[in-house]
Amino acid sequence: AQKVTQAQTEISVVEKEDVTLDCVYETRDTTYYLFWYKQPPSGELVFLIRRNSFDEQNEISGRYSWNFQKSTSSFNFTITASQVVDSAVYFCALSERASGTYKYIFGTGTRLKVLA
Amino acid sequence: DTEVTQTPKHLVMGMTNKKSLKCEQHMGHRAMYWYKQKAKKPPELMFVYSYEKLSINESVPSRFSPECPNSSLLNLHLHALQPEDSALYLCASSSPNMDGYTFGSGTRLTVV
Repeated sequence: AQKVTQAQTEISVVEKEDVTLDCVYETRDTTYYLFWYKQPPSGELVFLIRRNSFDEQNEISGRYSWNFQKSTSSFNFTITASQVVDSAVYFCALSERASGTYKYIFGTGTRLKVLA
Repeated sequence: DTEVTQTPKHLVMGMTNKKSLKCEQHMGHRAMYWYKQKAKKPPELMFVYSYEKLSINESVPSRFSPECPNSSLLNLHLHALQPEDSALYLCASSSPNMDGYTFGSGTRLTVV
């Protein structure tokens, strides 16, 4: 069965610390997509990154970086030098092909609190 | 235009009321979605429209009725809701090549 596990329910760090959010997935598909979304208190889900199953290159975007390892079915997200504005709930998601389109399997989310 | 616009942002309705949530996108996306999100939980898929046809209904109660009048618009009609239906309702759209969903900012619904 398709499944996404975010074992960390809540993480608190002090500003400028680095923090890694873990994501482990299960899928029977050979082609799939993984995503990270940020949900600030305002409620909107903000797209951060998409990674397809054939691209295992790690990616860096400013203070954000992602480590995708198919061997361990993990897609971890690191924030370097965290800031208060990074405080949000972060969701990892796996795409599943269904009825001619895609739907997301979301993890349960990790609430990140960055303290000043 | 790279946005998904949802209206209203907040809605309070009684259990006997009929109301509608609206969602609009102009990115040319041909798949549109309704998600329901309860507090401290991940979004749960309700409906998927693909090329204006309902392709997925995740066993949603009939008091929720989706409608896709055209490729840019998605509505969710609400009737005889229960207090436990209070939640954040999120609309999203995507292209067929799965670049990722674009979500709206949601409608926060309270049923009294």
